[in-house]
Amino acid sequence: SQQGEEDPQALSIQEGENATMNCSYKTSINNLQWYRQNSGRGLVHLILIRSNEREKHSGRLRVTLDTSKKSSSLLITASRAADTASYFCADRNSGNTPLVFGKGTRLSVIA
Amino acid sequence: DGGITQSPKYLFRKEGQNVTLSCEQNLNHDAMYWYRQDPGQGLRLIYYSQIVNDFQKGDIAEGYSVSREKKESFPLTVTSAQKNPTAFYLCASSMSTANNEQFFGPGTRLTVL
Repeated sequence: SQQGEEDPQALSIQEGENATMNCSYKTSINNLQWYRQNSGRGLVHLILIRSNEREKHSGRLRVTLDTSKKSSSLLITASRAADTASYFCADRNSGNTPLVFGKGTRLSVIA
Repeated sequence: DGGITQSPKYLFRKEGQNVTLSCEQNLNHDAMYWYRQDPGQGLRLIYYSQIVNDFQKGDIAEGYSVSREKKESFPLTVTSAQKNPTAFYLCASSMSTANNEQFFGPGTRLTVL
């Protein structure tokens, strides 16, 4: 019951560059969330964007939502080596069910 | 220091043995979850509990069992019926299943020898 699918699967950039990763959905979006996972660790919540929002910012993170294309993008500006991690999008299939996660994008930021 | 803890961090088991993974939270959350993570597979839901003494199967519940006798605790037992148990197991909690943010523990890496 995979809800979202991230793209690309892996991304490698130089420190200081921007990183963009995308999440596409098959069904309607409820409240889409982005999480980060450092290698061998648990996930950490980054940002949530509601279905009636189009853009949201949190520090160096910018999330956009396009409900007509059933997609969301996460932009990390001025990337740092510490941003190296896997990034997942997640949403619920319906209002009162657990989150369903995509397979993630592995981001490598090279110093 | 509020949070969600899992133990042990690494666990080794022989084939045919049952093993129990611990998950404890002091966030006063009603809902708790167990996910399994394999390389390239993302997170897959094993079981979840919306409230004490209640739990539901997720997408891959076969070979696993859980209990929710206390609000703070949601242990997962990997039984010998689970054919491929080697994986990284993540526990999470949230105020409710309708509440949006989930908080994750650090994970337990289970290896079957």
